[in-house]
Amino acid sequence: DAKTTQPTSMDCAEGRAANLPCNHSTISGNEYVYWYRQIHSQGPQYIIHGLKNNETNEMASLIITEDRKSSTLILPHATLRDTAVYYCIVRGPNNAGNMLTFGGGTRLMVKP
Amino acid sequence: DVKVTQSSRYLVKRTGEKVFLECVQDMDHENMFWYRQDPGLGLRLIYFSYDVKMKEKGDIPEGYSVSREKKERFSLILESASTNQTSMYLCASNQAGDFNEQYFGPGTRLTVT
Repeated sequence: DAKTTQPTSMDCAEGRAANLPCNHSTISGNEYVYWYRQIHSQGPQYIIHGLKNNETNEMASLIITEDRKSSTLILPHATLRDTAVYYCIVRGPNNAGNMLTFGGGTRLMVKP
Repeated sequence: DVKVTQSSRYLVKRTGEKVFLECVQDMDHENMFWYRQDPGLGLRLIYFSYDVKMKEKGDIPEGYSVSREKKERFSLILESASTNQTSMYLCASNQAGDFNEQYFGPGTRLTVT
């Protein structure tokens, strides 16, 4: 699976949009981009995933650049409860056992 | 609502003890996973199972074994706990298929003294 690079930490004001970037310049054509988050002392939580089209669900939006070398997770109206570590992961098919590999992630701090 | 539960949130064991960590999912998922999470090392896969009585080694299976006698339950066993097995242990499950998201339990923080 391709490697990802994320900023170590970010701050966001409550009620504003949080835009979390991820670089995955070595992504292959059949690899998806996934986002998970982990709130302190809890298990990781799935947020969203996409291949090449932008995706939106009740939690967030995922914007993938046309060359697919980077993506941005957008939390449209961040709340204090969105404070967490956000992980960007790239996975392809036939990934052994569907395993996930989390890197360092981005620690998002939402401030009042 | 999707649910993965783990038997304990916090556990303290002595070196050499046999330790059982239990995980139960109520979503009828085929796949189940055991990870450990350590600061600076991210999430590492210990074992996974894609069916009852089936198991596969992950990246770091040494010192661990697993059991899956029923579809909804996946147990992680530390045969003889050691201090380097102090960690956060996370169970996850998902449906069979290439791109299905994983659902995680709340984690068990194990301390081996």
